[in-house]
Amino acid sequence: DIQMTQSPSSLSASVGDRVTITCRASQDISSYLAWIQMKPGKAPKSLIYSASSLQTGVPSKFSGSGSGTEFTLTINSLQPEDFATYYCQQYNSYPLTFGGGTKVEIK
Amino acid sequence: QVQLQESGPGLVKPSETLSLTCTVSGDSISSSTYYWGWIRQPAGEGLEWIGRIYTNGITHYNPSLKSRVTISADKSKNKLSLQLISVTAADTAVYYCTRENHGSDSWGQGTLVTVSS
Repeated sequence: DIQMTQSPSSLSASVGDRVTITCRASQDISSYLAWIQMKPGKAPKSLIYSASSLQTGVPSKFSGSGSGTEFTLTINSLQPEDFATYYCQQYNSYPLTFGGGTKVEIK
Repeated sequence: QVQLQESGPGLVKPSETLSLTCTVSGDSISSSTYYWGWIRQPAGEGLEWIGRIYTNGITHYNPSLKSRVTISADKSKNKLSLQLISVTAADTAVYYCTRENHGSDSWGQGTLVTVSS
């Protein structure tokens, strides 16, 4: 299985901040990476696929980059609705695997 | 816009079979574009991909669960099913139904299944 390592596991930020989350794959996954946002009691939401492509309807404040084994998710101008837990997911090969998650909390 | 809704018993006894259904609306599970699958998350833990099924019936399962899991599809009802046999407390989790296209692009809200006597 491909191991996905995400950092940090949590962070505190203020409204208006820019935050960056990193995801590292244990082997080359090309650009087969997605970012998922999870909030308690709500259906998880896919934000980005193919490492850098926004899903339909996702605001451009979210951006993704990277390829191979190193990836980042950046959220610009953090708003209250962005406080959530974010996961990376590789779909280069099955079983699909996830990073451990990054909880973005209000400072 | 696709919607996925999980349903099934919230409590299952150890050694018994966990059975869940996912009702899909706004899309067809017969579509050749997508896989349809299941993911779970134990409380306070990470996400685990369980497996998926394609319109032609081909399935892929997580090797960690392969001996106990079956995913099937009822095209006439546009429903997806999950069966997990011989459950233990370690199978207690929120179970999500998903559509896969460039990763898991659509998710249900999830349903909590507790394994306890």
